[in-house]
Amino acid sequence: KAGVTQTPRYLIKTRGQQVTLSCSPISGHRSVSWYQQTPGQGLQFLFEYFSETQRNKGNFPGRFSGRQFSNSRSEMNVSTLELGDSALYLCASSLAGTGKGSPLHFGNGTRLTVT
Amino acid sequence: GDSVTQMEGPVTLSEEAFLTINCTYTATGYPSLFWYVQYPGEGLQLLLKATKADDKGSNKGFEATYRKETTSFHLEKGSVQVSDSAVYFCALQLSSNTGKLIFGQGTTLQVKP
Repeated sequence: KAGVTQTPRYLIKTRGQQVTLSCSPISGHRSVSWYQQTPGQGLQFLFEYFSETQRNKGNFPGRFSGRQFSNSRSEMNVSTLELGDSALYLCASSLAGTGKGSPLHFGNGTRLTVT
Repeated sequence: GDSVTQMEGPVTLSEEAFLTINCTYTATGYPSLFWYVQYPGEGLQLLLKATKADDKGSNKGFEATYRKETTSFHLEKGSVQVSDSAVYFCALQLSSNTGKLIFGQGTTLQVKP
């Protein structure tokens, strides 16, 4: 079974630009979550989508947005990029809702560098 | 608020040494607890989990017991290998119906031959 696939692996953008990251979950998984990983703040939850609806949201500004398609694939978008947005962005999928302790399965991430 | 605290690293051990990485949590209700591992250049991999008090999660020689009385979920391994060198994250999940995990800061483990 294929794992979680994130594209692209690396991105370099300039301040003020916008960027779109893509995530394909494990087949059958309907929940997709996004996390930002930085050396200073660690792993922080951005948002979760389930059946094309945002189900949970973290404490990030509105510049960060996402969506989920009917095939469960998800995209996240960051507009008006700032230097502080440089991070590893991780996507995770799960069978959330099927029982306590349903684990998340993570992709290898997209490394975003803002210059 | 809900949070996870891990011991600060890096932790440096010799091969075959005993490993303990401390993890304590603060949460309302009865969370599920997880340990994830991250190798360089990769995403997170689930190492083990526990969903209720006194549960013991285990995998690949690693173990952790969900201790509600001390709000802890310490990771242990009896004999580490060089290949165990990685960053280890403790995390809690407040509800089964969510993809939101709250992570600790991570502990870097370096095992020397």
